[in-house]
Formats: sequence, C-alpha cells, structure tokens
Amino acid sequence: QQQVKQSPQSLIVQKGGISIINCAYENTAFDYFPWYQQFPGKGPALLIAIRPDVSEKKEGRFTISFNKSAKQFSLHIMDSQPGDSATYFCAASTRMYAGGTSYGKLTFGQGTILTVHP
Amino acid sequence: EPEVTQTPSHQVTQMGQEVILRCVPISNHLYFYWYRQILGQKVEFLVSFYNNEISEKSEIFDDQFSVERPDGSNFTLKIRSTKLEDSAMYFCASRPANYGYTFGSGTRLTVV
Repeated sequence: QQQVKQSPQSLIVQKGGISIINCAYENTAFDYFPWYQQFPGKGPALLIAIRPDVSEKKEGRFTISFNKSAKQFSLHIMDSQPGDSATYFCAASTRMYAGGTSYGKLTFGQGTILTVHP
Repeated sequence: EPEVTQTPSHQVTQMGQEVILRCVPISNHLYFYWYRQILGQKVEFLVSFYNNEISEKSEIFDDQFSVERPDGSNFTLKIRSTKLEDSAMYFCASRPANYGYTFGSGTRLTVV
C-alpha cells in the first residue's frame, strides 16, 4: 500500500515536444506529491510539488496534474529541451509533523529516464 | 544557495569492514534523512532523524546501520559490517519544518 508506481521507464521526445510522466499511488494518507529531477552523479533536486487540495500546479514549463479520485498524478514538461534530459522521480509522503505517524518519509516511484533530442 | 554536503563522494571498502558516511545538513534544518539508491533503481528511504533521535526507519535499516548527529552539525551513517548488497549511492537530506527536502550529491559506496 506504500508503493508509488511510475511510468514509463524511459521516454524519448524531440526538442519542443511535451514530455508526460505518470504516477499512481494506493495510500490515501499521502498528502504531498513532489517531483524530483536527477542528473547523473547528483542527488535528486525538487522540481515541483503539489498537495491534494488542488488539481493542477504550474511552474514555468513544468505542470503537475493531480486526480485525487483516481489516485494518480502526472508531470508535464512543455517545450522540452535537451537540458531537461535527466531521470525524473515522482514521490509521495504523508503529513509531516511531530507526533504523527510519519516524519516526512518519501516513497519514490521507479524513475523515468527522459531523453530530449535536439 | 545552502547545500547539503556529503563526504566522501566515493568509498570503496572490503566486505565485512565498517564504513562511516558523513553529511553536513543545512544549518537551520530540523529533520535529517538517509536514503539509498542501488544502481538503476529507485531511491529508497533508510531512516529519519529528528530531535536527536531516530523518528522512523525502514526494514532495510537493520542492526548493521546506525546514525549519529554528534556535534550539532554533522550527521553520519555507519554500516558496521558491510555486505556486497550494501553497494549503492547513499543520499543524505535535510529539511526545515515545511515540506522542502534538500538532498546532497551522495556517496557512492562500493563493497568488494
């Protein structure tokens, strides 16, 4: 029930295209859904995050769409650039507060290797 | 921009040896974490640390693992007797009271 399933495993798009990565979760207690970008040899870096009280969040070329009833969320990268080529991870967490059942543990998806061709 | 610093970047050790992975979290952060990533796989939670004690740990974090925050700035992960399957990238992370994590660049541990 703690799993987060991510697809596709790899994705190739042309420069200027739209990259879409999907994630699904089971634990309805999850209430924080971040996306991380990871370049080779580096740690994951927070890209954008959403909480379940909104259905969409946009920051620049990056948009998260969130469907609470379906327990799914997705990352859309508009106007994809070669510099976006990286591994993308979705993640989920339950409320982080002292005394709660979770201190902010992130459950990650399996990752998507995005390649943007020039 | 503040960073989480991890040392060393790469460590090679013999099976059965003890290793200590070191991290300097961001100074005003309250929550500290270790995650690991086996090559080509997803990032997995190991342990969280808050208020000078372990707040949560995964089933991976068995008696061979321990964490310490000895001096208020460093945060260490010790593996007492390394196994081949401990070979992975280990990431330290920290965050303030809100949700935002900052991850370090990781230590690649190779057990031979």
